Amino acid sequence: QSVLTQPPSVSGAPGQRVTISCTGSGSNLGAGFDVHWYQRLPGTAPKLLIYGNENRPSGVPDRFSGSKSGTSASLAITGLQAEDEADYYCQSYDTSLSGPTFGGGTTLTVL
Amino acid sequence: QVQLVQSGAEVKKPGASVKVSCKTSGYTFTDFYIHWVRQAPGQGLEWMARINPKSGATKYAPKFQGRVTMTRDTSISAAYLDLTRLTSDDTAVYFCVRARETYYLESTNWLDPWGQGTLVIVSS
Repeated sequence: QSVLTQPPSVSGAPGQRVTISCTGSGSNLGAGFDVHWYQRLPGTAPKLLIYGNENRPSGVPDRFSGSKSGTSASLAITGLQAEDEADYYCQSYDTSLSGPTFGGGTTLTVL
Repeated sequence: QVQLVQSGAEVKKPGASVKVSCKTSGYTFTDFYIHWVRQAPGQGLEWMARINPKSGATKYAPKFQGRVTMTRDTSISAAYLDLTRLTSDDTAVYFCVRARETYYLESTNWLDPWGQGTLVIVSS
């Protein structure tokens, strides 16, 4: 059971907008720690998608955006494309673990 | 460019140990934390351990304390994960991943880039 809670799956048609939520608690997101997001395409290693709640690494399209408020965070993907089909994970720091903690992952299906 | 290249897949018997390596290149090895994260079949990502390559100081997730050892060899810019007393629950893909520079607070760390992953299968 993951410390951060994500919906197991989301879906959307090409061109649509989807959001993926990430809910934590007072020992992680609620303590003010940043959230980061990763994309894992089938058969590949995770790739950093958003860092520091809302920042995109170089090369990540601006269709991806992140936000955080209190104990919750969200990843939004606009203009859905078939290549966005992947698993998405949120990550933060947890004081109980004294280390990184992850969400259980959300599988995005592009219909 | 920054690269983390891991050792190949392993098949182990229950009760055995496994050592996975992570060879880095493209940056100053001693400047950045290295972590190990694993993903069991059908499960999410799970943090296991991290090392400060400069000092050698390690930190382990409570779940793995006593069974995991993380080491490094600065002469070849490599990090290692040793996991003992394996059970079928340890069947997973193990990733090494670089975090931020060691002078940053660990609580601000994101993880990038990731190694390609090493599949460890524990089966009798």
